[in-house]
Amino acid sequence: QAVLTQPSSLSASRGASVRLTCTLRSGINVGIYRIYWYQQKPGSPPQYLLKYKSQSDKHQGSGVPSRFSGSKDASANAGILLISGLQSEDEADYYCMLWHSGAVLFGGGTKLTVL
Amino acid sequence: EVLLVESGGGLVQPGRSLRLSCAASGFTFDDYAMHWVRQVPGKGLEWVSGISWNSDDIGYADSVKGRFTISRDNAKNSLYLQMNSLRVEDTALYYCAKGPELLWFGEFDHWGQGTLVTVSS
Repeated sequence: QAVLTQPSSLSASRGASVRLTCTLRSGINVGIYRIYWYQQKPGSPPQYLLKYKSQSDKHQGSGVPSRFSGSKDASANAGILLISGLQSEDEADYYCMLWHSGAVLFGGGTKLTVL
Repeated sequence: EVLLVESGGGLVQPGRSLRLSCAASGFTFDDYAMHWVRQVPGKGLEWVSGISWNSDDIGYADSVKGRFTISRDNAKNSLYLQMNSLRVEDTALYYCAKGPELLWFGEFDHWGQGTLVTVSS
């Protein structure tokens, strides 16, 4: 079982809000980790969006709009990327990342389609 | 402006070696951790290796441990990845990424455009 699991695809309408999840494997507690989020558009390298551990430990990437935000769902053992006011340019692949036992792990990525 | 330019990719036979380079500019290179991340076209991201600002901390993915070696030359503002005993499954686009200042753990806030490595007979 992968350490980080993301839904492979998601779609939402322009103007709507969407929650992208990054579920940690059972036994790995999301509460102790900073979750990092990246956006990748076709033909381009990933871009850092934000990191989130708690309301007092979070960081927005430079130039990243405030409609991108992070949170956690402890009951689901998951990190969340919330995108509000979806725009057509938000159509991209989104990856979560964390540091675990001295190594970096990425989720498999979610392809977000904006309808 | 932060700029990361990878080079050294190409077509190589299984079992052979290749050395990737990443030329950095626009920031104080020797204060920042640096990493290599790869991506098979159309697939997800895989962290390969990272090195702290002073080379005290170095990490590798299990998939490359013992075959790849990361290094840096702060005088030349350059990051390297020596890849030995290459396998077909090492075929990917290799990105150089900038880590946090004076820390080992943290985000990758800038990425290069990548260099393509193809391992095939």
